[in-house]
Amino acid sequence: AQSVTQLGSHVSVSEGALVLLRCNYSSSVPPYLFWYVQYPNQGLQLLLKYTTGATLVKGINGFEAEFKKSETSFHLTKPSAHMSDAAEYFCAVRVNAGGTSYGKLTFGQGTILTVHP
Amino acid sequence: KAGVTQTPRYLIKTRGQQVTLSCSPISGHRSVSWYQQTPGQGLQFLFEYFSETQRNKGNFPGRFSGRQFSNSRSEMNVSTLELGDSALYLCASSQIGGIGNTEAFFGQGTRLTVV
Repeated sequence: AQSVTQLGSHVSVSEGALVLLRCNYSSSVPPYLFWYVQYPNQGLQLLLKYTTGATLVKGINGFEAEFKKSETSFHLTKPSAHMSDAAEYFCAVRVNAGGTSYGKLTFGQGTILTVHP
Repeated sequence: KAGVTQTPRYLIKTRGQQVTLSCSPISGHRSVSWYQQTPGQGLQFLFEYFSETQRNKGNFPGRFSGRQFSNSRSEMNVSTLELGDSALYLCASSQIGGIGNTEAFFGQGTRLTVV
């Protein structure tokens, strides 16, 4: 079974600073990986996804993530934080193994990002 | 193109009652999944429907059920509500049924409060 661990339930940065949100996954088969963002009282919005091929994935709002198979990691970064980035971020994994994996995204516990002026 | 629509946005129910939540997926999407989000348990998969068939189910009691109609709209039902069922219920739709890298598009959720 697959699982996702997000290191740090809260991350605080200053506006203009680097954002780094950590995600490690566990999967017995090649995974598909996603980062979602959630603003208060809203649903989830897809930031980016890893499929196959290029390990550095670029998403919306200046975010990117790098898939590192050897480290089983998919950390999310943004060079310069903006106040509007304050939200909760979720890493998710799906495996393409059919059967019980259909439609199921397994999420990490989430990381709340606070951006200080 | 309209997004995923969930109704109602907010609900308050009493313990022991039942509730039905509705989800209209993006046009052309045939897969609908449901998730429960709580502060303690995070985001947990409830079930997924594809072409009116439940294809996958999470680890929830039988009080949680769902269905999908021929137009891909989906409903989930929770019977005999408990206080612990208070949560944000999120619906997600996918174009071809959650295969591999297909992204899921989420609705804004239904906030259920059980008193």
